[in-house]
Amino acid sequence: GQSLEQPSEVTAVEGAIVQINCTYQTSGFYGLSWYQQHDGGAPTFLSYNALDGLEETGRFSSFLSRSDSYGYLLLQELQMKDSASYFCAVRLKRSGYSTLTFGKGTMLLVSP
Amino acid sequence: DADVTQTPRNRITKTGKRIMLECSQTKGHDRMYWYRQDPGLGLRLIYYSFDVKDINKGEISDGYSVSRQAQAKFSLSLESAIPNQTALYFCATSAEGAYEQYFGPGTRLTVT
Repeated sequence: GQSLEQPSEVTAVEGAIVQINCTYQTSGFYGLSWYQQHDGGAPTFLSYNALDGLEETGRFSSFLSRSDSYGYLLLQELQMKDSASYFCAVRLKRSGYSTLTFGKGTMLLVSP
Repeated sequence: DADVTQTPRNRITKTGKRIMLECSQTKGHDRMYWYRQDPGLGLRLIYYSFDVKDINKGEISDGYSVSRQAQAKFSLSLESAIPNQTALYFCATSAEGAYEQYFGPGTRLTVT
């Protein structure tokens, strides 16, 4: 089976940088995704790493190391609106299909 | 207008009742998914469909069934609801070969 581990909660202050780690145990996966969810609303896509290395999208960056079964989401210049839950998800290969398996999520609390 | 819509948004029902949750999308995507979210457990895949004639079970399909009435519509049914099916249910879509999934606003279901 597959499993993903991420911290349940992270706290930081406005303007700071925070890193949310994700370790996984799986095989045959295409890549690692990150989603953001505010207060039980619709999860929204943030980033995707198909290859090892860093992907940057504005204030958000995501990293993947397949050899270490590890990835992280880096949020810079934190803003209050970044307070949300963040989920890592592996995009699995399933007999010609691909589906997502999500971690349990990390709640980020940004304080003034 | 929202690209992925879910009805109802909230529903309270009694144990043993049959209930259907509906999902519609205007994104033109072939692939549709149903997830449930429980506090602290992330999103878990119930069923997925890669075209109108294709239905596949996800991690937690027991107690659920689905119907793909058209490319744009994917319904989730609980034949006989039980209290541990109380959860937040999300529908999602994706394009073929794409890694990003687009989520609906969710249906909050309570089974008493």
